[in-house]
Amino acid sequence: DADVTQTPRNRITKTGKRIMLECSQTKGHDRMYWYRQDPGLGLQLIYYSFDVKDINKGEISDGYSVSRQAQAKFSLSLESAIPNQTALYFCATSDSKSYEQYFGPGTRLTVT
Amino acid sequence: GEDVEQSLFLSVREGDSSVINCTYTDSSSTYLYWYKQEPGAGLQLLTYIFSNMDMKQDQRLTVLLNKKDKHLSLRIADTQTGDSAIYFCAETSNTGKLIFGQGTTLQVKP
Repeated sequence: DADVTQTPRNRITKTGKRIMLECSQTKGHDRMYWYRQDPGLGLQLIYYSFDVKDINKGEISDGYSVSRQAQAKFSLSLESAIPNQTALYFCATSDSKSYEQYFGPGTRLTVT
Repeated sequence: GEDVEQSLFLSVREGDSSVINCTYTDSSSTYLYWYKQEPGAGLQLLTYIFSNMDMKQDQRLTVLLNKKDKHLSLRIADTQTGDSAIYFCAETSNTGKLIFGQGTTLQVKP
């Protein structure tokens, strides 16, 4: 079984809809991250959480919100989706002793 | 602010060596990483180097770090078609986050 899972893997939604992307991990890590990937731009950090009660904005948090429901779960919400949020979204985890991050398989989101 | 730069594309022939370059700005980075992303997949850690080292070798992979010039490179010897992927350089920031470059797409021609 994968250590970091993301659901859904693909989603098409309409402008203005609310959508939630889920991330779960079985690695026991305390740190979790949400990134978006756009061609030629690499990975941009949206939000990150260093433990259950800690939430921090990344480089591009506008239009997004997150919830850390438990150590193993970190969800990303788009309150009112817009077409320029069409991208590949990755969740990642790490522990506090190492900077190495473990990535989920990604969610491809299309906003029409 | 912190920034990591990579060239976007590299094309090599199978059997040749590939060298992917990266420059970074944060001189306080503790570790520098190379991640590989195959089509349709997430990122996987390939290798990393601690900032007090200048070279690390791991089978076909050689990482060179020039801390003075803030330059990192990844050399893949005997490049195979299975090495075709996007390669990301990343540095640690003093806030515990990773800062990624834009990614270099490596195309390996048979």
